Amino acid sequence: QSVLTQPPSVSAAPGQKVTISCSGSSSNIGNNYVSWYQQLPGTAPKLLIYDNNKRPSGIPDRFSGSKSGTSATLGITGLQTGDEADYYCGTWDSSLSGDVVFGGGTKLTVL
Amino acid sequence: EVQLVESGGGLVQPGRSLRLSCAASGFTFDDYAMHWVRQAPGKGLEWVSGISWNSGSIGYADSVKGRFTISRDNAKNSLYLQMNSLRAEDTALYYCARGGYSYGSGWFDPWGQGTLVTVSS
Repeated sequence: QSVLTQPPSVSAAPGQKVTISCSGSSSNIGNNYVSWYQQLPGTAPKLLIYDNNKRPSGIPDRFSGSKSGTSATLGITGLQTGDEADYYCGTWDSSLSGDVVFGGGTKLTVL
Repeated sequence: EVQLVESGGGLVQPGRSLRLSCAASGFTFDDYAMHWVRQAPGKGLEWVSGISWNSGSIGYADSVKGRFTISRDNAKNSLYLQMNSLRAEDTALYYCARGGYSYGSGWFDPWGQGTLVTVSS
């Protein structure tokens, strides 16, 4: 059971838009920055979004991030078949143990 | 090009030890925090441990606390993870990942390709 809750799967057609939610609590998302990662099949995760809504160099603006209260959202527009991957949210948890926590991951299928 | 290359994984019996290494290149290693993140077969990501640029801040997941030790050698641009008292549930692909300038930056970029640790008798 992951500390952050993501839907197991989402799907949409090429060219469409999809959003992936990440729900947490005041000890993690509510008081810390959120990052998002894309993991293509058989590869290492890749940073897509950091500090809630910033994109690293090289990440297209089709990818966006937002945060409100204890939830965060990843948005992907103009879906491409190459976007099929697992997507993970992550953040610090300021509880006693002070770990970095991840969501369970969302499998994106581009139909 | 920023690169992280892990090594040291393999098959090990429960209760034994293993030491993972991560060789960094293409950036000023001692400017950044570094982390280990693992992924069990078919499962999601789990943060294992992190260390600040000067080793002044170190953290561990509860699942490995007391068994794993993270360290770094800035002169050798290398990150390490000493894993003792290994359990079957430690079986995973272990990724080395660069953090931000601050230990608490909370993001990881880039990631290495991972080294597989299998704990089995």
